[in-house]
Formats: sequence, structure tokens, C-alpha cells
Amino acid sequence: DAKTTQPPSMDCAEGRAANLPCNHSTISGNEYVYWYRQIHSQGPQYIIHGLKNNETNEMASLIITEDRKSSTLILPHATLRDTAVYYCVHAMFGNEKLTFGTGTRLTIIP
Amino acid sequence: EAGVVQSPRYKIIEKKQPVAFWCNPISGHNTLYWYRQNLGQGPELLIRYENEEAVDDSQLPKDRFSAERLKGVDSTLKIQPAELGDSAVYLCASSLEAGASNNEQFFGPGTRLTVL
Repeated sequence: DAKTTQPPSMDCAEGRAANLPCNHSTISGNEYVYWYRQIHSQGPQYIIHGLKNNETNEMASLIITEDRKSSTLILPHATLRDTAVYYCVHAMFGNEKLTFGTGTRLTIIP
Repeated sequence: EAGVVQSPRYKIIEKKQPVAFWCNPISGHNTLYWYRQNLGQGPELLIRYENEEAVDDSQLPKDRFSAERLKGVDSTLKIQPAELGDSAVYLCASSLEAGASNNEQFFGPGTRLTVL
């Protein structure tokens, strides 16, 4: 099974950039990195995905290292609504088998 | 646009009783997933459907769990009989189709099952 390593928890001040790291040293060449988040009492929500280039959308930016063994999700201006558990997973593009780890619990501090 | 709908949101039953969860995916989504999420853990895939066909049920405990997706739209997940260890949140998700350019999975709010 695909495995990723994330810190169990992080805090970030409101308005600052939140940088969430993920190690995925076992990622294979044709696997993408996906990020989802789960706000309390809700189902997970897709954030962003990438292969080897950095990606940005309206929610976040994704920075993938050149060797693709790790990545960082960046929330540029964190708000209280960004408090959630963030999951990093890697899977084949279009592959439907996402293997979630325990994620990082991000708390935004007012 | 309505998201993935699940019911009930909460269910409390005694062990050895049967229970069923219902899911209505986003309109037009051919792929449907059932996940189980234990407390403090990430979701774990139980079964995936492409239309009405179960294409991956390797993680489904088939002695007590069953699922169906008649007509390739709504789906039902059943547990019979329930055990204490089945207490968890059961999540349903859907996506457009296998191999789609961005096969984002959309999750419902889940059903929280408590087995006493």
C-alpha cells in the first residue's frame, strides 16, 4: 500500500501561511500526489494534486521536490475555517484507490 | 448542485443487529466508493463501483458486509450482524469515471455508526 508520513499536528497563526509537509519516499514514477482535508464532522474534501511540477489553485499551492520524495502544501493566508485534518496520499492518475494515512491536524490560532 | 447524500447521519444499534446505509452520488458520477473511518484514522476503502459493477471489494469483510448499487446510481451498504468493532463513520464518495482527467473524489458527510 502507498504510504506517506506527515506530522500529527501543527499550529498556524491566522493570516499567516501554513506549510504542511509530507514524505512519500515510496512514490513511483507514474503516481501523483493528492491532498485532501477533512473538517470536523464532514467528509474529506479535495484540495490539489500534482505529478512533478508545482501547482497552484484557488485553495492552495503544492510544492513537490525534484526527487518527488516529499511535498509541501501551502495555504497562503490561513483562516480559522482552514482548521482541519490534512491528508497527503499518492496514487496513479485516475486511479481510484486512495490510501489515507492519519494526516496532519492543522489548527489555526486567532 | 447537490453533493453526495448519505442517510442516516447517525445510527445506534445493539450488537448482532443488522444495519444499512444509503448513498446517493452526485448526478452523472459513474464511480462510487464506500469508506470506513475509525476514530483518529484516515478513511479506508471498502468497495468501489464502476456503474453497477463492484470492481474492487478486496477490503470488504464479506462475512458480514454486503453492498449493492442497483441501476448504477444509489448504493446501499449493509452489515449483518454488527459487531462492537464496526463502530465507525461510513463515508460514501463519488467521482466522474475511471481515468477522467481529474478524478477528484467527492465525499458525503458520512454515517456515524455506534454499536452497543
